[in-house]
Amino acid sequence: GAGVSQSPRYKVAKRGQDVALRCDPISGHVSLFWYQQALGQGPEFLTYFQNEAQLDKSGLPSDRFFAERPEGSVSTLKIQRTQQEDSAVYLCASSLYGPGRAEKLFFGSGTQLSVL
Amino acid sequence: AQTVTQSQPEMSVQEAETVTLSCTYDTSESDYYLFWYKQPPSRQMILVIRQEAYKQQNATENRFSVNFQKAAKSFSLKISDSQLGDAAMYFCAYKDYGGATNKLIFGTGTLLAVQP
Repeated sequence: GAGVSQSPRYKVAKRGQDVALRCDPISGHVSLFWYQQALGQGPEFLTYFQNEAQLDKSGLPSDRFFAERPEGSVSTLKIQRTQQEDSAVYLCASSLYGPGRAEKLFFGSGTQLSVL
Repeated sequence: AQTVTQSQPEMSVQEAETVTLSCTYDTSESDYYLFWYKQPPSRQMILVIRQEAYKQQNATENRFSVNFQKAAKSFSLKISDSQLGDAAMYFCAYKDYGGATNKLIFGTGTLLAVQP
């Protein structure tokens, strides 16, 4: 596609509900990132994929958060038993190459998750 | 751990004037990259400019330039001839050179308003 696509754009969940957020990176991009952006804050790193391999998940806040990229393209971020503190914008980004470069990241428009 | 600090939550500039956004960072590394990203209301982060720490020359991109002071760990963004379309949230970001991922560490952002 022309850019990084994320869906849904908005998601409202009841506390305790499971949610799945989707990211379609730019075709052929090796690297894929998930970031969490709380209101009024900068994005915080959650996890990183190089193709289908999840090389870094150090930013996932708890074991309720799970991400996958099974075929090295589309990625899903799943949050189980959502809590109010999970309310944030979840941003996905991709880049052409693997780690070790200062290349440009292409971001999607994010999914705004509100947990009631 | 590396940190990025943006001490100006909000800034305002008149159209066609110049404005400087501040950023300081902390790291024990000698090689790294620094970035400025712009986030308009659409939420899609857009790369404005990047700087390699090993380069002494300050990066420039059209109306955007940086003042990189490595010893002071300072990385400010200057926007010349400000335009209405420059109004957005601006984030300073840091990345280690090399490393296992391209993980970016973001500051808390500066909201820039441009007055006509």
